[in-house]
Amino acid sequence: TQLLEQSPQFLSIQEGENLTVYCNSSSVFSSLQWYRQEPGEGPVLLVTVVTGGEVKKLKRLTFQFGDARKDSSLHITAAQPGDTGLYLCAGAMRDSNYQLIWGAGTKLIIKP
Amino acid sequence: EAGVAQSPRYKIIEKRQSVAFWCNPISGHATLYWYQQILGQGPKLLIQFQNNGVVDDSQLPKDRFSAERLKGVDSTLKIQPAKLEDSAVYLCASSLQNMNTEAFFGQGTRLTVV
Repeated sequence: TQLLEQSPQFLSIQEGENLTVYCNSSSVFSSLQWYRQEPGEGPVLLVTVVTGGEVKKLKRLTFQFGDARKDSSLHITAAQPGDTGLYLCAGAMRDSNYQLIWGAGTKLIIKP
Repeated sequence: EAGVAQSPRYKIIEKRQSVAFWCNPISGHATLYWYQQILGQGPKLLIQFQNNGVVDDSQLPKDRFSAERLKGVDSTLKIQPAKLEDSAVYLCASSLQNMNTEAFFGQGTRLTVV
């Protein structure tokens, strides 16, 4: 059973479009991280959210942590080919000694 | 600042052979992780070290996988004997403390077992 469900699994859109990817769980997390992974590379941390309802912006990327700290979303405005990659969410739970629980990822392709 | 170094980048072996991966974490990072990432899936934690002690190895298949972190710096992960289902990318990551702080990943070793 996947504790963190990411959707969609795959998304291919044209440059300039907006998109949102989701990370959902029935569990409560003390914090949640979003990573981007490019082919042949390890994941790179984009953001960490810790407070329910928190919104963080990173240029064209907007991250939101759900009020109940069970879900999160990543919204990209005016997507560019450089945004192509695998987007992974990972949640930490205090009860599990902050071990990261990983989603399976959303593979995003932005076509020029 | 140098990142997490892993070697080799690629390895192809036959089933039942053995293989070893090496990781040099970022200087000063106490925590080191080995992950297995199968194509189309998120990373799966195999083992976590805090300095040279094991914090969590609950998902490490101990009948064939072993890992050590002598002197609390470099680490090696070994598979002996390898199975076809071990084909994956093996990622090493390090962080200052535990996973509540940012983890930095290496480029990974892509293992193909034929």
